[in-house]
Amino acid sequence: EPEVTQTPSHQVTQMGQEVILRCVPISNHLYFYWYRQILGQKVEFLVSFYNNEISEKSEIFDDQFSVERPDGSNFTLKIRSTKLEDSAMYFCASNPDTDTQYFGPGTRLTVL
Amino acid sequence: AQSVTQLGSHVSVSEGALVLLRCNYSSSVPPYLFWYVQYPNQGLQLLLKYTSAATLVKGINGFEAEFKKSETSFHLTKPSAHMSDAAEYFCAVSLAQGAQKLVFGQGTRLTINP
Repeated sequence: EPEVTQTPSHQVTQMGQEVILRCVPISNHLYFYWYRQILGQKVEFLVSFYNNEISEKSEIFDDQFSVERPDGSNFTLKIRSTKLEDSAMYFCASNPDTDTQYFGPGTRLTVL
Repeated sequence: AQSVTQLGSHVSVSEGALVLLRCNYSSSVPPYLFWYVQYPNQGLQLLLKYTSAATLVKGINGFEAEFKKSETSFHLTKPSAHMSDAAEYFCAVSLAQGAQKLVFGQGTRLTINP
């Protein structure tokens, strides 16, 4: 059964550094999302992406964040200058144009 | 705007007992409702969903949920808990299909006692 995959599973970085989190959505899915979960808190929506552009973004998704689908298979989340408060589990999800989002296993980002 | 409230951040039941995890939602339009489960160190797995068809929805692993519009609730139940049900459970709401974001509740950690 096809799955959403994410790499790396764990990323450690220094404050102020740029990080890129990578996701491979399920083939033929049309909608892509990033969510994050700070330890002990709820899962929060960051951004949705369709037809090579952002459909919606949350207040969290400020100018430090960007998304890209560079090659038709990968979907990336870039954080330009990481802050301590960016430490969280980041989940990618994809949707074939139905009501169901399929989530990847997540990337745990630790900012020191 | 939509929102979800899950009553009880921790629920503990004995193996074989009824599991009841509570979820109430707020939505200005008819919602789509979901329960996801997160096992330790894993991603979110869809348990079941309500999308305006039958109000009693059956999902995987013996779980079911009933949509009650009058109570704005979508509680998750399982008649008999199994040790493998220990996990974090998230209720979520969206407006419709397509690009619509999911809005999650705080989550309920379910512990099963032997």
